[in-house]
Amino acid sequence: EPEVTQTPSHQVTQMGQEVILRCVPISNHLYFYWYRQILGQKVEFLVSFYNNEISEKSEIFDDQFSVERPDGSNFTLKIRSTKLEDSAMYFCASRDRGPDHPYEQYFGPGTRLTVT
Amino acid sequence: GIQVEQSPPDLILQEGANSTLRCNFSDSVNNLQWFHQNPWGQLINLFYIPSGTKQNGRLSATTVATERYSLLYISSSQTTDSGVYFCAAKFYGGSQGNLIFGKGTKLSVKP
Repeated sequence: EPEVTQTPSHQVTQMGQEVILRCVPISNHLYFYWYRQILGQKVEFLVSFYNNEISEKSEIFDDQFSVERPDGSNFTLKIRSTKLEDSAMYFCASRDRGPDHPYEQYFGPGTRLTVT
Repeated sequence: GIQVEQSPPDLILQEGANSTLRCNFSDSVNNLQWFHQNPWGQLINLFYIPSGTKQNGRLSATTVATERYSLLYISSSQTTDSGVYFCAAKFYGGSQGNLIFGKGTKLSVKP
């Protein structure tokens, strides 16, 4: 069964450093998402991406964040200058728009980001 | 504003017991998903259920869209069922389908 993959599984970085989190969505999917979950809290939407542009973003997704689909398979989240409060689990998700389950999202296993 | 609320927040069961988890949502949805977050933090997709009833082994789910709630049933619980259960909804009118998550129900199954 196709699945969303994410790398790395765990990233440790120092405050102020840039990090890039990588995702490979399911190959025929057209809509891509990033969510984050601070430890012990609920999962929160960050950004959605369709047709090579951001279609929606939350108030969390400020200027330090950016997303990119550099090729036909990868989808990346960049955090330009990490802060301690960016420590969280980051999930990538994707979906298609087929007739059966048009809004069902498939989630990757997550990248745990620790900012020290 | 639009909200997803889950109850109970915590649940402790003895192995073999049955349980029902509830998810209330504040407006009409065209997607409702249930997830199990395992001890490694991964979100395991349990059900895609914007309406109706589905069953998968010991788990089943029912969404009554007109009354804005969904239920997740776990029968004959096992210790491996422990973890946090989230429901997440995509509300009508949301542009590209981002999900709104509830705060989760933390389930602990004791041997």
